[in-house]
Amino acid sequence: AQSVTQLDSQVPVFEEAPVELRCNYSSSVSVYLFWYVQYPNQGLQLLLKYLSGSTLVESINGFEAEFNKSQTSFHLRKPSVHISDTAEYFCAVSLLRGSTLGRLYFGRGTQLTVWP
Amino acid sequence: NAGVTQTPKFQVLKTGQSMTLQCAQDMNHNSMYWYRQDPGMGLRLIYYSASEGTTDKGEVPNGYNVSRLNKREFSLRLESAAPSQTSVYFCASRESQPQHFGDGTRLSIL
Repeated sequence: AQSVTQLDSQVPVFEEAPVELRCNYSSSVSVYLFWYVQYPNQGLQLLLKYLSGSTLVESINGFEAEFNKSQTSFHLRKPSVHISDTAEYFCAVSLLRGSTLGRLYFGRGTQLTVWP
Repeated sequence: NAGVTQTPKFQVLKTGQSMTLQCAQDMNHNSMYWYRQDPGMGLRLIYYSASEGTTDKGEVPNGYNVSRLNKREFSLRLESAAPSQTSVYFCASRESQPQHFGDGTRLSIL
């Protein structure tokens, strides 16, 4: 069975500090990997995705994530956070093969709070 | 370009009442999904429709029914609402990766 584990439910950090949100997954088949962000009272927005190719993927607002196949991880990082990055972040996987092709399996979320 | 539109945005029901949550997408996507989001639980799949005319159960289908009315629309029905169904409901669609989400329906059942 596949599962996604976000190791921290809450991450408080001061503005301009670096941050890492951790995500590990388990799956018997290859996966696509995603990070979604949810701002208060809004829907989910795609932050970045790994489908194939370079294992380091970047978003337009300074976040990056690295796919590590041997450690089955897809940690999200940002070298300097802003107050506007305060949100809940969800890691998700989608299977490349199988009857549930295309559906997303989500982690439980990490609430990132950036303090001034 | 509206993307995925969900109605209503908010709803309060009494236990035992029924209602239908509506979802429509204008991106000509084949696959559509219904999730529920509960605190500390992430998003869990209720039902999905891989293409027009097909629907399948997800992780937590009990107490829900769905209809894929046409390629654009995928509705979720609660026949007899229970307090345990208080949640935020999200509809999503995709053709290839990734899925695109609506803004959600916040449903409270008293």
